[in-house]
Amino acid sequence: DIQMTQSPSTLSASVGDRVTITCRASQSISSWLAWFHQKPGKAPKLLIYKASSLESGVPSRFSGSGSGTEFTLTISSLQPDDFATYYCQQYNSYPWTFGQGTKVEVK
Amino acid sequence: EVQLVESGGGLVKPGGSLRLSCAASGFSFSTYRMNWVRQAPGKGLEWVSSISSSSDYINYADSLKGRFTISRDNAKNSLFLQMNSLRAEDTAVYYCARGGGCTSTSCYFPDYWGQGTLVTVSS
Repeated sequence: DIQMTQSPSTLSASVGDRVTITCRASQSISSWLAWFHQKPGKAPKLLIYKASSLESGVPSRFSGSGSGTEFTLTISSLQPDDFATYYCQQYNSYPWTFGQGTKVEVK
Repeated sequence: EVQLVESGGGLVKPGGSLRLSCAASGFSFSTYRMNWVRQAPGKGLEWVSSISSSSDYINYADSLKGRFTISRDNAKNSLFLQMNSLRAEDTAVYYCARGGGCTSTSCYFPDYWGQGTLVTVSS
């Protein structure tokens, strides 16, 4: 199975901050990586697919980069609605695997 | 509008069974691979199972050890998960999600998720 490792586990930030979350795969997944965010009691919401493609309707302050085994999600200017937990997920092969999550909290 | 609506969750005793359903609308259900993903309380996301559009390719998480069975009814735009021999560690919100699988040139991500249904396994 492909292991996905996210860092950090928790991130304290303020509105307006630039935020970066890293995801590493245990083997190459090409660009078959998605990023989601999730709020308590809600389903995950797709932000980025194919490592760097912005899902329709997602604000442009979100961006993704990377390929192979190293990936990054960046929020250029954190907004109040962005405080949530973020997950990366590889869909290169089954079993799909997710990072353990990064909670972005108010500093 | 794409909609996925799960149902069938509830409280069940250890060793019991439950059948989850996911009703799909707003897209051509019979042409998409579908998945179940679960999330234990306060924990991360865990993929459970996947079924291809015509049910000829099925995958399960190794941890399930044959206790769960995924199926679909394309005529009724519905996805199912039969869960047997339930354990406390199966307690989770179960989501259905559209997408998955790969061709020779592309892989497909889970683009739409239902709101989830809670399964609680407890005596």
